[in-house]
Amino acid sequence: EDKVVQSPLSLVVHEGDTVTLNCSYEVTNFRSLLWYKQEKKAPTFLFMLTSSGIEKKSGRLSSILDKKELFSILNITATQTGDSAIYLCAVPGSSNTGKLIFGQGTTLQVKP
Amino acid sequence: GAVVSQHPSWVICKSGTSVKIECRSLDFQATTMFWYRQFPKQSLMLMATSNEGSKATYEQGVEKDKFLINHASLTLSTLTVTSAHPEDSSFYICSARPGTSGRAYEQYFGPGTRLTVT
Repeated sequence: EDKVVQSPLSLVVHEGDTVTLNCSYEVTNFRSLLWYKQEKKAPTFLFMLTSSGIEKKSGRLSSILDKKELFSILNITATQTGDSAIYLCAVPGSSNTGKLIFGQGTTLQVKP
Repeated sequence: GAVVSQHPSWVICKSGTSVKIECRSLDFQATTMFWYRQFPKQSLMLMATSNEGSKATYEQGVEKDKFLINHASLTLSTLTVTSAHPEDSSFYICSARPGTSGRAYEQYFGPGTRLTVT
């Protein structure tokens, strides 16, 4: 059964801290791993990772994939209160129907 | 491009009534739409996959007679929560996959509908 597990489930930090969010997965036919940020409404796309060891970067956010160990991390440096959100990791399911398998999400709270 | 809308954005209804939520792809045709449910501070739980012109495929544990899904056109899918109860109160999000997409991950999320059943 396809599975995505995120850790930690919640995290409270202060502005300026660096955080690392984890995502491990089990899927029969791996194609990609996606990271989303969700504030009050719909998830917004952050990164798609398909190859091991290649860092994707966008401003203070970066992410990397390890296909051997079946995990990905999302790093946020110099956190700001606007980074407070739920961060979701997902992989397309094995059945190729377009279905995404989401992890439980990590709720990040950044305090001033 | 690739905008998905949902209507209404929030709704309050009385226990026992039915509520319909619409999901529209505004600038592309979506052969597949997905309906998710999300409880506070939790992840998205896929309820069903809806393909245009055919019956929806429900995830295990989701009652198809309670959550009626119709995908009558390439730009519209509806979710009807029938005989709603307070435990159905949740945030419902749809996503739409472009018909031309060859990428398994490509789907665009609507802004969600918050349902409160009193």
